Amino acid sequence: GAVVSQHPSWVICKSGTSVKIECRSLDFQATTMFWYRQFPKQSLMLMATSNEGSKATYEQGVEKDKFLINHASLTLSTLTVTSAHPEDSSFYICSARDHREEKLFFGSGTQLSVL
Amino acid sequence: GNSVTQMEGPVTLSEEAFLTINCTYTATGYPSLFWYVQYPGEGLQLLLKATKADDKGSNKGFEATYRKETTSFHLEKGSVQVSDSAVYFCALTPWNSGNTPLVFGKGTRLSVIA
Repeated sequence: GAVVSQHPSWVICKSGTSVKIECRSLDFQATTMFWYRQFPKQSLMLMATSNEGSKATYEQGVEKDKFLINHASLTLSTLTVTSAHPEDSSFYICSARDHREEKLFFGSGTQLSVL
Repeated sequence: GNSVTQMEGPVTLSEEAFLTINCTYTATGYPSLFWYVQYPGEGLQLLLKATKADDKGSNKGFEATYRKETTSFHLEKGSVQVSDSAVYFCALTPWNSGNTPLVFGKGTRLSVIA
C-alpha cells in the first residue's frame, strides 16, 4: 500500500532554534498534505492544509510565521518550527491524500522536545 | 462544530478478552466515521469505516456500527490478541467536506497481555 515517510521521528533542540520536519509520499503524488499536532492526552489537532504550489491554509490559532509549511513538489511537504520554545514540544504528524483513491495516508510522526 | 469523544485509556486486557472502545461524535449532516490504529513506531492506518447510518465496518476481527440515533461508532472485537496492542483513534469526515480532513478523538491506548 501507499507509504508516507516522515523524518525525523524524534528531535531534541534548544529553545530559539528552528526545526524542519519532512513528509514524503513514496509511491504516489500528493496534491494535498495535512499537518497535525498532538499534545499529551489531547486529540490530534489539524494545524494546516498544504496544497502543492500554493500557500498553506492554517487553522485558527496557528501562527503561520512560526510554523512554516512548504509544499514545493507533489511528493514533499515540510514543516519548519521557527524559534522553537518549550511550549512547542509536541507530537507532529503529517498525512497525504492519494488523489487516485481519495485516501489519506499518515506518517509515523515526529516527537519534538524543546529544552 | 464537529467533534469526536472517545473513552480514555489506557485499556489493559488479557488475551482473548472482549474489547469495546466507545466513541461518540457531534457533527452536522451525515459524516463518515472511521477507526484508525497506530502500532508502535508506525503511522496511523485505517482500520475500518462506515459512510452512512446502520453501516457496519469490519476488518481484522474488529467491528463498528454507525448509530445515528445515539451518534456513536463503538469499536468491538470478540477476542483480542497481543498483536492488537496499539493506539486506536476514532475519527470523522464531515459530510460533503471536499478536502476537509478528519476530526480525531484523543486516542485510546490498548495493551493486551498474554
